[in-house]
Amino acid sequence: DSGVTQTPKHLITATGQRVTLRCSPRSGDLSVYWYQQSLDQGLQFLIQYYNGEERAKGNILERFSAQQFPDLHSELNLSSLELGDSALYFCASSVGVRVPLNTEAFFGQGTRLTVV
Amino acid sequence: TQLLEQSPQFLSIQEGENLTVYCNSSSVFSSLQWYRQEPGEGPVLLVTVVTGGEVKKLKRLTFQFGDARKDSSLHITAAQPGDTGLYLCAGAARNQGGSEKLVFGKGTKLTVNP
Repeated sequence: DSGVTQTPKHLITATGQRVTLRCSPRSGDLSVYWYQQSLDQGLQFLIQYYNGEERAKGNILERFSAQQFPDLHSELNLSSLELGDSALYFCASSVGVRVPLNTEAFFGQGTRLTVV
Repeated sequence: TQLLEQSPQFLSIQEGENLTVYCNSSSVFSSLQWYRQEPGEGPVLLVTVVTGGEVKKLKRLTFQFGDARKDSSLHITAAQPGDTGLYLCAGAARNQGGSEKLVFGKGTKLTVNP
């Protein structure tokens, strides 16, 4: 158990819909990262938050957004869903900002999103 | 765009055999990490290498970072069924503003048969 909790574990929804994925980081970790994992693209970095503020953006679509709340949990919002958005979405957390030189990132078990 | 190419993509071997998987890029990374991911789980960090030419050992696993910090290898000695999993390499790429993100390879899926 990494200490990072993601909910829900599985999600099935229709095209055009909107979903919210939730992540609770390890106790004491200030940084949260979101990744998308698909069979053809591998693990893609989406976005990073540190102590409530956005720190880095990766290959995140405009239809996707995220935020980190004062209690440090984070949500990833996916809207206008398309079939190609079906993937595993992982959240990771770390103590600091500079991964990996200073801290280790711990991954949650992921949310498997299926868009039908 | 910094890309990490991993090879082989799939590897199936018998228990007791040795194997090496590779992670290559045309880009220089400030550090490189190896993760193992099991079905239904998130990646778990195995090691971080920082210095060009660095070699780190973790029991039967040996990790090497290339001198130019563009490539890395993972060697497993006397593989066991418990080594089965997806092995991912990830390079640290600098973002604007000083933070870093991890760029992942697509992974090597290793199966060790009893």
